[in-house]
Amino acid sequence: QVQLQESGPGLVKPSQTLSLTCTVSGGSISSGDYYWSWIRQPPGKGLEWIGYIYYSGSTYYNPSLKSRVTISVDTSKNQFSLKLISVTAAETAVYYCARAGPLTFDFDYWGQGTLVTVSS
Amino acid sequence: DIQMTQSPSSLSASVGDRVTITCRASQSISSYLNWYQQKPGKAPKLLIYAASSLQSGVPSRFSGSGSGTDFTLTINSLQPEDFATYYCQQSSTTPYTFGQGTKLEIK
Repeated sequence: QVQLQESGPGLVKPSQTLSLTCTVSGGSISSGDYYWSWIRQPPGKGLEWIGYIYYSGSTYYNPSLKSRVTISVDTSKNQFSLKLISVTAAETAVYYCARAGPLTFDFDYWGQGTLVTVSS
Repeated sequence: DIQMTQSPSSLSASVGDRVTITCRASQSISSYLNWYQQKPGKAPKLLIYAASSLQSGVPSRFSGSGSGTDFTLTINSLQPEDFATYYCQQSSTTPYTFGQGTKLEIK
């Protein structure tokens, strides 16, 4: 059974960098069968897809965040990571990592989510 | 970006009812449409992928249909555990986008 687990600071100051890691167990990122995504959800609001990474390191970012976001992968640790620079209070959200299949790009496995609050 | 619009935004129903939620895309997405269920404090759960394929382990009372720009999620014989928020998501074109959600409440 595939499991994903987010980790990282729960509080980030405005204008600083948000950094999160997703650890995958029960399956290998290196298998190349899936894409690995970050998705966020502000409290009480809807879902926003941030971007994905493939095991090879190829990425695609939501254009609305492209200038500030980096997703990287560490296949030796079976982890992928999110960095978002220059955050604002409006980016307070639950951040999820998720797995997507390459054909229909549906998100079939999700982490439990981690709340990141942007506040001084 | 492709805009996804769900209707209604909220819905009240009773156990045993049949409910339908609609999702409309701002342009054709073929059958690249997925449905999720989210309960408070939990991650979304995939119900339907590719418009009409039932995800493994999901009860058969859930079904999806549609193609192009108009899609529906139907829940037959509502069960107490079905009261949640439902989201559609298009996976036709990046950036992948979600509908605003439909909150299904107990009448």
